[in-house]
Amino acid sequence: GAGVSQSPRYKVAKRGQDVALRCDPISGHVSLFWYQQALGQGPEFLTYFQNEAQLDKSGLPSDRFFAERPEGSVSTLKIQRTQQEDSAVYLCASSLQGINAGNTIYFGEGSWLTVV
Amino acid sequence: AQSVTQLDSQVPVFEEAPVELRCNYSSSVSVYLFWYVQYPNQGLQLLLKYLSGSTLVKGINGFEAEFNKSQTSFHLRKPSVHISDTAEYFCAVKARGGQNFVFGPGTRLSVLP
Repeated sequence: GAGVSQSPRYKVAKRGQDVALRCDPISGHVSLFWYQQALGQGPEFLTYFQNEAQLDKSGLPSDRFFAERPEGSVSTLKIQRTQQEDSAVYLCASSLQGINAGNTIYFGEGSWLTVV
Repeated sequence: AQSVTQLDSQVPVFEEAPVELRCNYSSSVSVYLFWYVQYPNQGLQLLLKYLSGSTLVKGINGFEAEFNKSQTSFHLRKPSVHISDTAEYFCAVKARGGQNFVFGPGTRLSVLP
């Protein structure tokens, strides 16, 4: 596709509900990132994939957060038993190559999650 | 580990005036440096990046930034701003060989008519 596409753009979840956020990276991009951006703050790293391999998940805040990219393209970020502190914008980004040098990463518009 | 500081959370400036958005970083290893812009309800867009070579980097929309290794700074400048430059600006670093981009808290630039 022309850019990184994320869905849904907006999601309101009741506390305790499970949510799934989808990311379609730019076609052919090897690297895929998930970031969490709380209101008024900068994005914070959650996890990184190179193709289908999840090489770094050190930023996932708890075991309620799970990400996958089974075929090396589309990725899903799943949050189980959502809590109010999970309310944030979840940004997906992709990069053409594996992380090397200063490859540019391209961001999607984000999925805005509000937990009530 | 790396960290990024953006001391100014908000910067109001009149149209056609110059602006400087400050960024300082901390890292025990060499890093690449980036500036991203985020318009309301949109994702982040790359403005410019420093990888190596000339310490003065020019980006899109007339922005430029200068890498100062001794001061561990990467300040963003524009000589004359437009109303359309109103947005949130994020400085980011990435360790050479690493994959994680570390972002600062952002600076909200408001251009006033």
